[in-house]
Amino acid sequence: DTGVSQDPRHKITKRGQNVTFRCDPISEHNRLYWYRQTLGQGPEFLTYFQNEAQLEKSRLLSDRFSAERPKGSFSTLEIQRTEQGDSAMYLCASSPIQGNTEAFFGQGTRLTVV
Amino acid sequence: QQQVKQSPQSLIVQKGGISIINCAYENTAFDYFPWYQQFPGKGPALLIAIRPDVSEKKEGRFTISFNKSAKQFSLHIMDSQPGDSATYFCAASRRGGADGLTFGKGTHLIIQP
Repeated sequence: DTGVSQDPRHKITKRGQNVTFRCDPISEHNRLYWYRQTLGQGPEFLTYFQNEAQLEKSRLLSDRFSAERPKGSFSTLEIQRTEQGDSAMYLCASSPIQGNTEAFFGQGTRLTVV
Repeated sequence: QQQVKQSPQSLIVQKGGISIINCAYENTAFDYFPWYQQFPGKGPALLIAIRPDVSEKKEGRFTISFNKSAKQFSLHIMDSQPGDSATYFCAASRRGGADGLTFGKGTHLIIQP
């Protein structure tokens, strides 16, 4: 399977704990995006990388959220001091740098904060 | 502030019928308009997309109609099948894609056998 891969698929954590999610994009895709999707809503854009550079991060929900893409390949999204309101599906998408902005999504990580 | 408004919220269509979902956008800087299909517990899957230099695009049973002056676009699913039952999202983005896709709230489509 050469699609976007996310790990873990599900994460249950206690309030106040830190969590980290991983995304492996399609190998030749330079662009990588993180989104959050809550129940009954469309995905909400969080942040964008072009290779290893994080070019847009103003839409991260709070300073508890951070993302990295250290070598321009896989990316991680970390949430510190989780709150119940952070419970959602976290989606990663990738796209090639040329041409249009066709984005391909992974299966997501379902986070539940208890 | 919702930049992409999608309707209806839910839709029931008989097998073989035409499913129509509508979206309207506000930002005239948007220049790419995809539709995504999502099944429960899965990520969104790109279905079909259009740019504003054309008024219609067809791929198999799926057609996008685009009206630039009205800032509206719609998805038509011809000969709807039970396997098409899913949530559909319209989206829009600006040139370059650096600020990602702006999604509508989704339409829950049910195709009755």
